[in-house]
Amino acid sequence: EDQVTQSPEALRLQEGESSSLNCSYTVSGLRGLFWYRQDPGKGPEFLFTLYSAGEEKEKERLKATLTKKESFLHITAPKPEDSATYLCAVHNTDKLIFGTGTRLQVFP
Amino acid sequence: EAQVTQNPRYLITVTGKKLTVTCSQNMNHEYMSWYRQDPGLGLRQIYYSMNVEVTDKGDVPEGYKVSRKEKRNFPLILESPSPNQTSLYFCASSFRPSFNEKLFFGSGTQLSVL
Repeated sequence: EDQVTQSPEALRLQEGESSSLNCSYTVSGLRGLFWYRQDPGKGPEFLFTLYSAGEEKEKERLKATLTKKESFLHITAPKPEDSATYLCAVHNTDKLIFGTGTRLQVFP
Repeated sequence: EAQVTQNPRYLITVTGKKLTVTCSQNMNHEYMSWYRQDPGLGLRQIYYSMNVEVTDKGDVPEGYKVSRKEKRNFPLILESPSPNQTSLYFCASSFRPSFNEKLFFGSGTQLSVL
């Protein structure tokens, strides 16, 4: 069965303390992997799409990478405004499967 | 401003009382979809539409109806709501009719069925 697992469920960081969020997947035929950011009381907001192993994309303090089994969202020197839930979603041959997210809290 | 608009933002109702949650997008998107978000289960797709008059079931369609009579609107209808439909609902759209497009989400509708 196709599955997307995100870890950790929750992560608390000090401002400036870099870390990584993980999204591991088992799908038949990866077409694309998406990262979204969701703030409390709001809908998810698109961050990145990755299509093939070895691909990397960056946006400000965020960098997403992809292997054949997992994706990482690296956060470099995070700030309190980076606090949010980060969702991973995988497109297999006929659907989009979301993980349950990692809730990130960054303290000053 | 380009956006997906859902209404209402919050809704409390009773079992069996028909309700409609509206969704409208102003980006001329082909694809629209409804998701529900529950703790520990993530976002699950209810229904989607690749174009006007074309709708398909997602993973959890039971108890829901949709229609796509116009390109910009995609209402979600609960004919006889039950407590297990208490959830946070999101409407989403994308430019092209594909699962491989980035989605634009509305702000959500928190539904409580008593």
